[in-house]
Amino acid sequence: AAGVIQSPRHLIKEKRETATLKCYPIPRHDTVYWYQQGPGQDPQFLISFYEKMQSDKGSIPDRFSAQQFSDYHSELNMSSLELGDSALYFCASSGSQGANTEAFFGQGTRLTVV
Amino acid sequence: LAKTTQPISMDSYEGQEVNITCSHNNIATNDYITWYQQFPSQGPRFIIQGYKTKVTNEVASLFIPADRKSSTLSLPRVSLSDTAVYYCLVGDTGRRALTFGSGTRLQVQP
Repeated sequence: AAGVIQSPRHLIKEKRETATLKCYPIPRHDTVYWYQQGPGQDPQFLISFYEKMQSDKGSIPDRFSAQQFSDYHSELNMSSLELGDSALYFCASSGSQGANTEAFFGQGTRLTVV
Repeated sequence: LAKTTQPISMDSYEGQEVNITCSHNNIATNDYITWYQQFPSQGPRFIIQGYKTKVTNEVASLFIPADRKSSTLSLPRVSLSDTAVYYCLVGDTGRRALTFGSGTRLQVQP
């Protein structure tokens, strides 16, 4: 069965550079979530989209933005990267019941800022 | 937004049953309770979800008392591969924001 696909799997950027992470949800899933997980930390909710519209916002820095496209894939854009942005970034997708339904997570993108 | 409280860590041995309890005193009427498992450097994986009483699937059971202010994830006969972090989430009805609190780090010993 198709799962959530994230690309790239690994990314190395320098401080002040820009990064774009991509997420391809499970077909027919209409909700996408983005999470940041630092070393030894719990996943932190960043932002979510439902039917290509922003749904909820968590602790997403102003330097980050995200969108969901007509084909339901989503991109997380990160600018002016800082060392503290080094983390695993997960994308998840779910059906239309939002937080009360099972979410499927991708394998994550490991971002390293040097 | 309902907040959850779980033990920080638990230890067990192979073959034992493990019960992890989560408190969620402010759970709303329409909220479901969902448990996820996470291995290092992997995305969280759905284990089980319930609303009330007892739910069982092929890997776990979920016990929810009548007041729904807590829930217990039961893992029967754990193995070394069950060593992971377990998160209890309470669905926030009307929002699309799965909020992870501090999970329980389960260590299974041989």
